[in-house]
Amino acid sequence: AQSVAQPEDQVNVAEGNPLTVKCTYSVSGNPYLFWYVQYPNRGLQFLLKYITGDNLVKGSYGFEAEFNKSQTSFHLKKPSALVSDSALYFCAVRDSYSSASKIIFGSGTRLSIRP
Amino acid sequence: GAVVSQHPSRVICKSGTSVKIECRSLDFQATTMFWYRQFPKQSLMLMATSNEGSKATYEQGVEKDKFLINHASLTLSTLTVTSAHPEDSSFYICSASSSGGTDTQYFGPGTRLTVL
Repeated sequence: AQSVAQPEDQVNVAEGNPLTVKCTYSVSGNPYLFWYVQYPNRGLQFLLKYITGDNLVKGSYGFEAEFNKSQTSFHLKKPSALVSDSALYFCAVRDSYSSASKIIFGSGTRLSIRP
Repeated sequence: GAVVSQHPSRVICKSGTSVKIECRSLDFQATTMFWYRQFPKQSLMLMATSNEGSKATYEQGVEKDKFLINHASLTLSTLTVTSAHPEDSSFYICSASSSGGTDTQYFGPGTRLTVL
């Protein structure tokens, strides 16, 4: 069975500074990894995914994530944070290439960017 | 990107009544749809997976007779919360995916259910 861990409930960063939101995963086969963002009372918006290929994945709004197989991690990063990045971020994993397979979500990390 | 809608966005009902939530894929055919619930300040918990034309697969601990799921067409899935109680109050989110492939799932905006 697959699982995802987001060890930080909250991350606080000053605007303009780099940010990192941590994620580690566990799957029995090849991992298919995702990051989503959720704004208050809204559904999830897709940021980026890792399926195969380059370990550094670039996504929406300037976010990127690095797949590290040896550390089973998929940390979300951004070089320069914006106040508008403040939201709830979810890491997710599925153990099949098929989008018809279920995705398991981490507990979420609330990102707060102070001006 | 693909668009998934949910209706209603917010519903308040009395205890004991049933509530139906619709999930529609607007610009693609969704062979598979997923239903999640999210409690305040918590993650999304998968309730069930539904494939068009077949019975839904429920996750462990989810009562299939209480949470009725119908996926009668490639663009519509419904979740009916039967005999709702205050503990069913939650944020319900659906997602949809097209036939297989490595594409992601697309999420609806969610439905806030409040049972009085």
